[in-house]
Amino acid sequence: GDSVTQMEGPVTLSEEAFLTINCTYTATGYPSLFWYVQYPGEGLQLLLKATKADDKGSNKGFEATYRKETTSFHLEKGSVQVSDSAVYFCALVVLNTGNQFYFGTGTSLTVIP
Amino acid sequence: DADVTQTPRNRITKTGKRIMLECSQTKGHDRMYWYRQDPGLGLRLIYYSFDVKDINKGEISDGYSVSRQAQAKFSLSLESAIPNQTALYFCATSDFGTGLNNEQFFGPGTRLTVL
Repeated sequence: GDSVTQMEGPVTLSEEAFLTINCTYTATGYPSLFWYVQYPGEGLQLLLKATKADDKGSNKGFEATYRKETTSFHLEKGSVQVSDSAVYFCALVVLNTGNQFYFGTGTSLTVIP
Repeated sequence: DADVTQTPRNRITKTGKRIMLECSQTKGHDRMYWYRQDPGLGLRLIYYSFDVKDINKGEISDGYSVSRQAQAKFSLSLESAIPNQTALYFCATSDFGTGLNNEQFFGPGTRLTVL
């Protein structure tokens, strides 16, 4: 079946450090891939997405590249800020499954000054 | 104003009580979803609806029911609440027309505690 596996947290980084959150997927068809972010006390909001192999999604300094050969969609940011502290979810959707999203378990990030 | 709203935002109830969580959206989307979030488990799909006449079970529908009263409203009911239904519940919507680019838009969540 379709699923997403992302690295366990929590992750704690100092401000301006480099961030990588790993995400790998299993899909029965050709998925679109997403990263969502959940700030404290809020719902999830889309951070970035990619719909085909080798696409790079980017937003707010975050990037992720759709790697079909390694079935991965790792999230990166070159210099994190305190305001990036949140929970990050990797997700996929495969069109022929009725647009049902599959989410990873989430990775909590805390950035300290 | 928020595009996806949920009421109540917080609820504490007792085992055996019937509870209804409500979701409304002003985005004009056809598709609506209910998820629950538990620590270490991420989001799991409870039910989803592609239009007013279409209701589908998700991964964890046992103990839950839903009603799609209108395009803009999708309610989740716990017929007889039990403590392991204590969780954060999210409603989400998406548009039918954009295929693989479909983004899901989430409400702010309802924190439910069953004692």
